[in-house]
Amino acid sequence: LAKTTQPISMDSYEGQEVNITCSHNNIATNDYITWYQQFPSQGPRFIIQGYKTKVTNEVASLFIPADRKSSTLSLPRVSLSDTAVYYCLFRGDSSYKLIFGSGTRLLVRP
Amino acid sequence: NAGVTQTPKFRVLKTGQSMTLLCAQDMNHEYMYWYRQDPGMGLRLIHYSVGEGTTAKGEVPDGYNVSRLKKQNFLLGLESAAPSQTSVYFCASSYGRTGGDYNEQFFGPGTRLTVL
Repeated sequence: LAKTTQPISMDSYEGQEVNITCSHNNIATNDYITWYQQFPSQGPRFIIQGYKTKVTNEVASLFIPADRKSSTLSLPRVSLSDTAVYYCLFRGDSSYKLIFGSGTRLLVRP
Repeated sequence: NAGVTQTPKFRVLKTGQSMTLLCAQDMNHEYMYWYRQDPGMGLRLIHYSVGEGTTAKGEVPDGYNVSRLKKQNFLLGLESAAPSQTSVYFCASSYGRTGGDYNEQFFGPGTRLTVL
């Protein structure tokens, strides 16, 4: 049964780099791993997606090791507006069901 | 472009009542999804659809039914509401299969449902 593990919460200060890791033990072989950001009282919003190695866009980087059993979202130089909950999303290999991680609540302090 | 919209935004039901939540998207997406989000539980997939006229079960389908009669609409029904169905419900849509390249999900603003 596919499962995920994310840290429940993280604290940071403005300007720092934040790394959030999601462990996913059984991911579908050909599927991408996606990360979402959610603010209170809003639906999740897409941040970044990757299959393996490293992907970078204008807001984040995503690191995925060769075994694809985890992925790390990297937010460079966070600001107060990055305070939110961050989720990984992937498809399990046996059930082929979509699975959201339990979420990491990031608090950015001034 | 409204994206994904959900109706209603809030609803209070009594145990045993029924209701339908409506999701609409104007992006011509094939795939649509219904999730529930409980405190500390993240999002869990209830049902999804890979195209007009098709539906499939997700992780927590019991107590819910869905229909996709039109491509742009995905309805979630509760036939006999129970307090355990108190939650925030999110609808999402994607162009293609989630997990494929560039097939991100776009989410609606959510419906907050309380069952007394």
